[in-house]
Amino acid sequence: NAGVTQTPKFRVLKTGQSMTLLCAQDMNHEYMYWYRQDPGMGLRLIHYSVGEGTTAKGEVPDGYNVSRLKKQNFLLGLESAAPSQTSVYFCASSYPGTGVGYEQYFGPGTRLTVT
Amino acid sequence: AQSVTQLDSQVPVFEEAPVELRCNYSSSVSVYLFWYVQYPNQGLQLLLKYLSGSTLVKGINGFEAEFNKSQTSFHLRKPSVHISDTAEYFCAVSGYSSASKIIFGSGTRLSIRP
Repeated sequence: NAGVTQTPKFRVLKTGQSMTLLCAQDMNHEYMYWYRQDPGMGLRLIHYSVGEGTTAKGEVPDGYNVSRLKKQNFLLGLESAAPSQTSVYFCASSYPGTGVGYEQYFGPGTRLTVT
Repeated sequence: AQSVTQLDSQVPVFEEAPVELRCNYSSSVSVYLFWYVQYPNQGLQLLLKYLSGSTLVKGINGFEAEFNKSQTSFHLRKPSVHISDTAEYFCAVSGYSSASKIIFGSGTRLSIRP
């Protein structure tokens, strides 16, 4: 059981370039999330998905797009990268239910630098 | 909607000393509460959670937290810390509804001095 994996682990982009971050989970979780983590700001939710084929905006969605074509994968896209998107990105998944209490399982993170 | 406040951004303590990391939440509905830990250069992992029942919750690595509904708090404690506890700790809250999301606090960096 690999849990939640993220690809790539590190990436450096130039302003205006595009890229896609891949998140995969093998726990059959319904919910998946993308967060960004910046110093002193905790984790901020970018987008999330409550099931295959569905996505929704989180707290800081501007400049990002997502897709959930398969239940196990959740893609985060940056169409035109900006220096303000320099951050560490975390993917998480959860299986909601009163017994689980929406516990989220996190991937190891992707460190993105935009120059 | 829910919100969570971690009152201390950094907490320095000496090894083998006790520690308390403070967390207060705000919500108009019943909540689930969590503490996550993030070791350097890693993702977050669950330390403990409160769903219902006993207000004293025990987690991994000797940590425990107490849910206090009247004070809307969920403080994390450990009676004796170790160098390996150096990490950032996040308090989080979610509501009961199926559409609920977890709201994270801004984190408390725990640094252990030998």
